[in-house]
Amino acid sequence: QVHLVESGGGLVKPGGSLRLSCAASGFTFSDYYMSWVRQAPGKGLEWVSYISDSGKTIYYADSVKGRFTISRDNAKNSLYLQMSSLRAEDTAVYYCASQAVVAPMHWGQGTLVTVSS
Amino acid sequence: DVVMTQSPLSLPVTLGQSASISCRSSESLVSSDGNIYLNWFQQRPGQSPRRLIYKVSNRDSGVPERFSGSGSGTDFTLKISRVEAEDVGVYYCMQGKLWPRTFGQGTKVEIK
Repeated sequence: QVHLVESGGGLVKPGGSLRLSCAASGFTFSDYYMSWVRQAPGKGLEWVSYISDSGKTIYYADSVKGRFTISRDNAKNSLYLQMSSLRAEDTAVYYCASQAVVAPMHWGQGTLVTVSS
Repeated sequence: DVVMTQSPLSLPVTLGQSASISCRSSESLVSSDGNIYLNWFQQRPGQSPRRLIYKVSNRDSGVPERFSGSGSGTDFTLKISRVEAEDVGVYYCMQGKLWPRTFGQGTKVEIK
């Protein structure tokens, strides 16, 4: 059974940094593309970033390009999102998701990031 | 970016009746491989999203048959036949053709 568990969220000041992690289990992590999707409080879903199975292909939303870095460690079955220069508008629940047929299929429970002074 | 526009944004339905949600894309979602990468997600209150439909009309494993997707090009529909109480939540369409991936605004389904 696919299991994705995000961690690393919390309260951070504007301009600060945070690293999110996603621990995967129940499937062969190294075979799957992965994504991060976020949801601001009371708002809709926003795709953030994507990484291929090998880590060689990466995409970002314009809103985070240059500030966020996605990465993965297939040996540790883990996905990461390094976030820097954080802004109030980055406040959201961040979900990691495994991809199937070019879209997120299995989702974690999310981790809340709050950017506030 | 591809803009995904859903309607209605709020949909009160009677238990046992049908419900339809429309999703329109700002450009064709027909991919060069001939596939149409249009997905539907359900998010129940307090839960993570769950994918229901991929490639317009294919149900994911465990999704009840009362959920069906249709459409082509730029116009797509999610239909819920015989709405049940557990169907309450917000439904999102998402295109998987171009980067960045984009979602619709969401349609909130509630029971009358």
